[in-house]
Amino acid sequence: GAVVSQHPSRVICKSGTSVKIECRSLDFQATTMFWYRQFPKQSLMLMATSNEGSKATYEQGVEKDKFLINHASLTLSTLTVTSAHPEDSSFYICSAQIPTGGETQYFGPGTRLLVL
Amino acid sequence: EDKVVQSPLSLVVHEGDTVTLNCSYEVTNFRSLLWYKQEKKAPTFLFMLTSSGIEKKSGRLSSILDKKELFSILNITATQTGDSAIYLCAVEMPNFGNEKLTFGTGTRLTIIP
Repeated sequence: GAVVSQHPSRVICKSGTSVKIECRSLDFQATTMFWYRQFPKQSLMLMATSNEGSKATYEQGVEKDKFLINHASLTLSTLTVTSAHPEDSSFYICSAQIPTGGETQYFGPGTRLLVL
Repeated sequence: EDKVVQSPLSLVVHEGDTVTLNCSYEVTNFRSLLWYKQEKKAPTFLFMLTSSGIEKKSGRLSSILDKKELFSILNITATQTGDSAIYLCAVEMPNFGNEKLTFGTGTRLTIIP
């Protein structure tokens, strides 16, 4: 089956630093990847849709200058949290779609970010 | 390899019918099982299950977990067209002090008026 990985699985950083999270589709090419934020016992919040070779589409209320998304290849999208603050601490999840696979999304295992 | 399998992959029923969606899992370490409903955008949280045999209910939706047989079911009674969505199951695992989520590929439910 389609496998999506994320790296790192956990990161702790100081306030003001930038953190990069990678999302890779391991055995398929994904023209579209999604970035979500999850809060405990709550829904996933879609942050942005990342399309290979073009600018990401951000959801309302998500700061594009703070959450930089780069989808440089068909198997890799990165989310960079710039100048991270404690309120950015969360569980970040990515998912990927196979171009001809309908709307099915394959989810990564998530990255826990803790900003001190 | 951790695995979450949902069945059926898709289901089409008439309004008013009752449906049962299945989620089975094989994981190295289990913390909880979560059900989500995904319509147009982000998955919406439905239930978190941690204990076997205790049914959780929310309106026409209910879910139960069997930790011995490693599966969960999501029931929807008196279905309505608004129930049409992809239903996702995910297992949360502790992973060397981190948590890790493994999702199934979902069941696409279509309710015909």
